[in-house]
Amino acid sequence: LAKTTQPISMDSYEGQEVNITCSHNNIATNDYITWYQQFPSQGPRFIIQGYKTKVTNEVASLFIPADRKSSTLSLPRVSLSDTAVYYCLVGDVSFQKLVFGTGTRLLVSP
Amino acid sequence: EAGVAQSPRYKIIEKRQSVAFWCNPISGHATLYWYQQILGQGPKLLIQFQNNGVVDDSQLPKDRFSAERLKGVDSTLKIQPAKLEDSAVYLCASSLDSRDTQYFGPGTRLTVL
Repeated sequence: LAKTTQPISMDSYEGQEVNITCSHNNIATNDYITWYQQFPSQGPRFIIQGYKTKVTNEVASLFIPADRKSSTLSLPRVSLSDTAVYYCLVGDVSFQKLVFGTGTRLLVSP
Repeated sequence: EAGVAQSPRYKIIEKRQSVAFWCNPISGHATLYWYQQILGQGPKLLIQFQNNGVVDDSQLPKDRFSAERLKGVDSTLKIQPAKLEDSAVYLCASSLDSRDTQYFGPGTRLTVL
């Protein structure tokens, strides 16, 4: 399973766009990139998943360059409620074996 | 649609005692997972069930941890005897199948004194 590296923490203000980058140099051909969000006292929640280029849903966008060795989760116009830990995971989607790192703690301030 | 249910939400025990956690997955979900999340870390998979069969229990400390999903629906995770280092949040997740998105429950916070 590919190892991921992401910043330990990030700070932002309400209304700003937040970009969290994840490095996964050893990503395999069959691997997908998945992001989860976890609020305190809750289980992780699926945000978005992608294989290459760009994926967008109602919550976030995921940008994946051609070499796929990194990916960027983009949260548009964050609010206080976006304060959470964000996990980047890489793995073969056919098995869905999730290996979580320590994640990125995002703090959104007024 | 009801989410993944877990109980109890909190449990405090002394070391060497036994404890059990219960999970009710989303209706129709064939795959069920138990994770352990130690404070400040990401969740770690303990065991994965496909219906009532074990798919992966490679990271389950089998000398003290056990889990079952007898009828392919609810599941229980047991620790016997508990150690101080078992203090963590135990998360249950389920998915339609092993290839699908996992949905997590709120977890059970275990404190071992």
